[in-house]
Amino acid sequence: EPEVTQTPSHQVTQMGQEVILRCVPISNHLYFYWYRQILGQKVEFLVSFYNNEISEKSEIFDDQFSVERPDGSNFTLKIRSTKLEDSAMYFCASRDRPNIYGYTFGSGTRLTVV
Amino acid sequence: GENVEQHPSTLSVQEGDSAVIKCTYSDSASNYFPWYKQELGKRPQLIIDIRSNVGEKKDQRIAVTLNKTAKHFSLHITETQPEDSAVYFCAATSNNNDMRFGAGTRLTVKP
Repeated sequence: EPEVTQTPSHQVTQMGQEVILRCVPISNHLYFYWYRQILGQKVEFLVSFYNNEISEKSEIFDDQFSVERPDGSNFTLKIRSTKLEDSAMYFCASRDRPNIYGYTFGSGTRLTVV
Repeated sequence: GENVEQHPSTLSVQEGDSAVIKCTYSDSASNYFPWYKQELGKRPQLIIDIRSNVGEKKDQRIAVTLNKTAKHFSLHITETQPEDSAVYFCAATSNNNDMRFGAGTRLTVKP
């Protein structure tokens, strides 16, 4: 079964440093997403990406965040200057068309900001 | 945008009993309602979904019902087993809106 893969599985970074979280969506999928889950809390929408541009972003997705699809396979989330409160599990997800299937989630990257 | 409310936040049942988790949504345009199961430290896994043109869907011990008029949908798990213990998230989305999740229900099935 096709999978969404995320790397690294765990990243520890110093406050103020930049991090890049990487995702490889399922190859024929067109819609890409980043979600965040603070430990013990709900899964929160960050951003959606379609046709090489952001289609929607939440209030969490401020100027510190950016996304990119640098080639035909990778989808990255960059946090420019990490804060302690950015510590969370970050999930990438993809789907091929709206409302045809549910999202397929990656296994997540646990980001710890110290 | 869409707002999804989920209740209860925790649910404890005896093995073999049924469990029901309820969600409401705000956007009448939402037309797709998946349910995800998340085990500790793992990714959310889609377990069942329902589209707005259907009132009920069943898959073995899991069923989901949808009331579009009232804008609520529910997950029903029958004959619960200890391995059903997890956090369950409901979600709602439409063609024009990205998926929003409920706050989750921590289900504990006691042997």
